[in-house]
Amino acid sequence: DAGITQSPRHKVTETGTPVTLRCHQTENHRYMYWYRQDPGHGLRLIHYSYGVKDTDKGEVSDGYSVSRSKTEDFLLTLESATSSQTSVYFCAISEGTGGLYEQYFGPGTRLTVT
Amino acid sequence: KNEVEQSPQNLTAQEGEFITINCSYSVGISALHWLQQHPGGGIVSLFMLSSGKKKHGRLIATINIQEKHSSLHITASHPRDSAVYICAARNRDDKIIFGKGTRLHILP
Repeated sequence: DAGITQSPRHKVTETGTPVTLRCHQTENHRYMYWYRQDPGHGLRLIHYSYGVKDTDKGEVSDGYSVSRSKTEDFLLTLESATSSQTSVYFCAISEGTGGLYEQYFGPGTRLTVT
Repeated sequence: KNEVEQSPQNLTAQEGEFITINCSYSVGISALHWLQQHPGGGIVSLFMLSSGKKKHGRLIATINIQEKHSSLHITASHPRDSAVYICAARNRDDKIIFGKGTRLHILP
């Protein structure tokens, strides 16, 4: 599992409240990713990080921000949660050599915005 | 049109049957990934391919770079193989594009 944990694993929150999801890895991986998974869609990239304090947007970044102040932690923040952000969120890391990189996923966080 | 298309979307089969899931992609890739997700569960990487064929137990993955097509085969399928199988293409900019998944249900 490449030593990836996510917290919380489940959260129910109200519209308009801020929410922060945490991804923690123990193996010093440089690349970390946040995805959301929704019925009828493939996994979609929200944000990714290629090092401490180095982050970039993915295809569905609106309404989300991220921070990476330490190699091991990648935080995803919903500044003001909306019902459209109800989803399952997966963190992932990339590991590999020679241009071939595997992705390993965390266990997921199920977020419900009421 | 999605850049990564999987077929079928849903598949129900009897235990023991040979299963094939297909993935077609329209982008140039550096690698093709097959992932497995059990109901309510996390996502596990099964294979990463850049050419040819790989085998792990009862699972076989093949890729045809010229035709931009990959297949995942399961031999002697078992109810525990019931899961969503996801194809993902890593393009040359290192971006990963995911298919929508194939939901497989193996009946005992």
